[in-house]
Amino acid sequence: GAGVSQTPSNKVTEKGKYVELRCDPISGHTALYWYRQSLGQGPEFLIYFQGTGAADDSGLPNDRFFAVRPEGSVSTLKIQRTERGDSAVYLCASSFLQSSYNEQFFGPGTRLTVL
Amino acid sequence: SQQGEEDPQALSIQEGENATMNCSYKTSINNLQWYRQNSGRGLVHLILIRSNEREKHSGRLRVTLDTSKKSSSLLITASRAADTASYFCATAPMNRDDKIIFGKGTRLHILP
Repeated sequence: GAGVSQTPSNKVTEKGKYVELRCDPISGHTALYWYRQSLGQGPEFLIYFQGTGAADDSGLPNDRFFAVRPEGSVSTLKIQRTERGDSAVYLCASSFLQSSYNEQFFGPGTRLTVL
Repeated sequence: SQQGEEDPQALSIQEGENATMNCSYKTSINNLQWYRQNSGRGLVHLILIRSNEREKHSGRLRVTLDTSKKSSSLLITASRAADTASYFCATAPMNRDDKIIFGKGTRLHILP
């Protein structure tokens, strides 16, 4: 079956602009996670959803970052007033349930470059 | 924040040799997982070991866990060129069963 997909694969934007990154999880997976990965680092947790609600958004760096999952499937990560430090690969993952014992399936990521 | 720390940061070995990577973590865990990330591709789950397990095998992979030392190791036997990738350990904290925290990773390069 189809895996986790993310669009766009690459996004180049200018400092101060607004961007949206989209994640399509595996059908039937109730938990959805967003991570950010900088060069040479491991994925850094941002936020996760159980169904439509954000169960934990403690990893969002500041209030410029926001994510939604209105119908419990597709999720959008929104970044306002982008800064050069936001440049990274943004990864999305989904799992059948929110338990850590359930394997997370990752998408290929969106590479965001803020000029 | 990142709890796990892999060692070494980078490792180059000849094809056919065994590769060992280590992970140390700071707080008590429910489980520990290893992931692989190939260049330009997403992360792939390799193996999960529970806190009450000491060793686990999956194909050419062997994972050990020592909760008293808060450390784990990943052994890849008879390495192949396709094993070239970054390997990350991820821990599920004891007080939080719903998310995992990744380390910085070990970059493994298999030489032909």
